[in-house]
Amino acid sequence: GEQVEQLPSILRVQEGSSASINCSYEDSASNYFPWYKQEPGENPKLIIDIRSNMERKQIQELIVLLDKKAKRFSLHITDTQPGDSAMYFCAASAGATGGNNKLTFGQGTVLSVIP
Amino acid sequence: EAAVTQSPRNKVAVTGGKVTLSCNQTNNHNNMYWYRQDTGHGLRLIHYSYGAGSTEKGDIPDGYKASRPSQENFSLILELATPSQTSVYFCASGPQDTQYFGPGTRLLVL
Repeated sequence: GEQVEQLPSILRVQEGSSASINCSYEDSASNYFPWYKQEPGENPKLIIDIRSNMERKQIQELIVLLDKKAKRFSLHITDTQPGDSAMYFCAASAGATGGNNKLTFGQGTVLSVIP
Repeated sequence: EAAVTQSPRNKVAVTGGKVTLSCNQTNNHNNMYWYRQDTGHGLRLIHYSYGAGSTEKGDIPDGYKASRPSQENFSLILELATPSQTSVYFCASGPQDTQYFGPGTRLLVL
């Protein structure tokens, strides 16, 4: 099955700087790549996603890049704020073309934004 | 964001007892999922369903059963609970591959 590797596991950045989280996947059939943010004691919340027909997507301070050739995708948070501190998960899915709609998750990144 | 509810939110069970975790969504999503989340393991898929009457094994199904009696409801059943099943359980639902998570159930098996 699909494997997703996420790095780094811990990330500390200064407020106002950028934070980058990288993920790689193995299954070339994967075509959907969501990112989730999870705050302590809460559920994971979908914050941005990208499909394989795109290379870049931006929602406010969140930017997702997808390199299908290298099987890598990344989340970039610009102008980080203390409210961005949380656990972040990447995931990949082959969707309907893969015969199911399962998501395979990375191990997560704990982001701390230092005021 | 789609609304997914779970009950109970917290549960203490005894080893060998039966535990049923319930999930409900009113968004008419075909797909529903059960995950557990443990420190160091991220989110791991236990069972999932494509619609009423269907259940499929996920990546870690051993010790768990699932039931999807209707479009709205998806249950996770621990017939003989063990301390290793102490965890936080999340239900999710969604159309196709997008998934929206419920608030979670904290289960402690003593």
